[in-house]
Amino acid sequence: KNEVEQSPQNLTAQEGEFITINCSYSVGISALHWLQQHPGGGIVSLFMLSSGKKKHGRLIATINIQEKHSSLHITASHPRDSAVYICAVFKRFGNQFYFGTGTSLTVIP
Amino acid sequence: EPEVTQTPSHQVTQMGQEVILRCVPISNHLYFYWYRQILGQKVEFLVSFYNNEISEKSEIFDDQFSVERPDGSNFTLKIRSTKLEDSAMYFCASSMDGYQPQHFGDGTRLSIL
Repeated sequence: KNEVEQSPQNLTAQEGEFITINCSYSVGISALHWLQQHPGGGIVSLFMLSSGKKKHGRLIATINIQEKHSSLHITASHPRDSAVYICAVFKRFGNQFYFGTGTSLTVIP
Repeated sequence: EPEVTQTPSHQVTQMGQEVILRCVPISNHLYFYWYRQILGQKVEFLVSFYNNEISEKSEIFDDQFSVERPDGSNFTLKIRSTKLEDSAMYFCASSMDGYQPQHFGDGTRLSIL
């Protein structure tokens, strides 16, 4: 049973396209994280959010707590955005993370 | 910018041997985490550590595993008697508190032969 589901699993986009990655979860959470994993394996935390919306550069993350759903948007995508994007939720009443399987994004020049 | 450092970057060990993976979290962070990622699979939570004790652990983190903060800077993960299925990338992370984003190390690739 997956507490966190992401879609799509794989995504190929042309440079400049607007990209959306979705995350749905089934547990009560205190926070949701969007992470970026580069081809070399390193992980970078992009956002941590528990409500509303956050923006950082070309990246926007939104969360709807009632619907247990979050989206990560990339505007004006670039080949350097190519990576695996991972949704992870921090379960309420417990210091435990549940991870999605990731969305592999390839942006073609 | 301060970062989390992990050593070694790659560890090769014979099955049954003990292995210690080391992490130096960011100096003013108080929460520490270990994760693992088996090749081709998703990242999995192992353990969180705060105030010199484990605050949460997953089912994966059985008696074979232990964590320690032996001094003010290092945070270690010990696997007592390694199995082939322990082969994975192990990531350490730290955060200022439980409500702040985590900073990840580059990982240690553990290969069990």
